[in-house]
Amino acid sequence: GESVGLHLPTLSVQEGDNSIINCAYSNSASDYFIWYKQESGKGPQFIIDIRSNMDKRQGQRVTVLLNKTVKHLSLQIAATQPGDSAVYFCAENILYQGAQKLVFGQGTRLTINP
Amino acid sequence: KAGVTQTPRYLIKTRGQQVTLSCSPISGHRSVSWYQQTPGQGLQFLFEYFSETQRNKGNFPGRFSGRQFSNSRSEMNVSTLELGDSALYLCASSLMGTGKETQYFGPGTRLLVL
Repeated sequence: GESVGLHLPTLSVQEGDNSIINCAYSNSASDYFIWYKQESGKGPQFIIDIRSNMDKRQGQRVTVLLNKTVKHLSLQIAATQPGDSAVYFCAENILYQGAQKLVFGQGTRLTINP
Repeated sequence: KAGVTQTPRYLIKTRGQQVTLSCSPISGHRSVSWYQQTPGQGLQFLFEYFSETQRNKGNFPGRFSGRQFSNSRSEMNVSTLELGDSALYLCASSLMGTGKETQYFGPGTRLLVL
């Protein structure tokens, strides 16, 4: 399938440390990427986006890096807090038959240890 | 500005029944997409609507259908429910659905099929 949810990777970090979440995407023609955060019982929440003409974009405590050569995205979260505990998804926004659709990565569960 | 809203939030149905889910996009957004989220398959694209027209459809059987109204609100319908249709159904909206803009998600409708 386009998004495989089996064997969700888990990342555990200490509160205050930096986190790096990685994601591989599939379509070399994709030119817009989004990171979402999903907390239990809620819908995905937009965190940060990046276009293919950039290789880095910074937000508040978050940085996204894009490596088009190897089709890889990463999300860096600085000074993680308990509220950062969630599942994080990367998504490519693909144009297909003139219409858009998001293709999601499998997701990474981030757990913050006190 | 209010976010994407979905109703109902929870549903319990039995096999063979049908169900209709509703989505109200962010004011001014004209593109509405639907996604299915399950533990086994992750987030999968169902379909996308713009100006009352379905522009794109994912790899789901014909039992899954939808429509969009002139005010951009959208509904999706699943007929002849199967146990495997149990999932979180998410709606996302964006301005024009160009593939270069963020899609914002609602909280989802959790459907349980018994």
